Amino acid sequence: GAVVSQHPSWVICKSGTSVKIECRSLDFQATTMFWYRQFPKQSLMLMATSNEGSKATYEQGVEKDKFLINHASLTLSTLTVTSAHPEDSSFYICSARYDRPSHGYTFGSGTRLTVV
Amino acid sequence: AQKVTQAQTEISVVEKEDVTLDCVYETRDTTYYLFWYKQPPSGELVFLIRRNSFDEQNEISGRYSWNFQKSTSSFNFTITASQVVDSAVYFCALVYNQGGKLIFGQGTELSVKP
Repeated sequence: GAVVSQHPSWVICKSGTSVKIECRSLDFQATTMFWYRQFPKQSLMLMATSNEGSKATYEQGVEKDKFLINHASLTLSTLTVTSAHPEDSSFYICSARYDRPSHGYTFGSGTRLTVV
Repeated sequence: AQKVTQAQTEISVVEKEDVTLDCVYETRDTTYYLFWYKQPPSGELVFLIRRNSFDEQNEISGRYSWNFQKSTSSFNFTITASQVVDSAVYFCALVYNQGGKLIFGQGTELSVKP
């Protein structure tokens, strides 16, 4: 149980275009989702926390207009990287909090974004 | 401040050796949770264990064991008789209020050579 499906697993896009990454909770309702970014050989850096039906809370230094997060339903959260540039190339991973059978966090499989 | 420190950036061992990955945390809260995750080269995060701050019992799961010591704010992870498949990056993480965000350590890259 508590599975999060993340798509796409990898994407290559041209500089200046936008890319949308989706995370779906398959067998539970995710009221809270977290979006992380990970550069090679580094830790996961929290970008934002999204709650269903409300605006996302962004971490300091993360541009909200560049990284648009939408959490319109209890099973779907999306991250859109707008006007992507090569420096946005990274590994993006989502996480959802679940309450049953016990409090925990489950992660999507990640999306490797390459901007050329 | 809430913080997780994994001082070992990289560890290399030979198969069948035992290896301990260190994790030290900082929090002012009395209620918190600690986690260990494994990240193989594929990138997916694999949950290994969760421990709450009121449960200091050590845990063993097969070749894996965890030592939680509140007195030293440490939550160390030991792999016994390591195998090549254990090669991965291991992250220790802390959440200090229910539903709050996970704070990750820097990660330890474990390389197990045959």
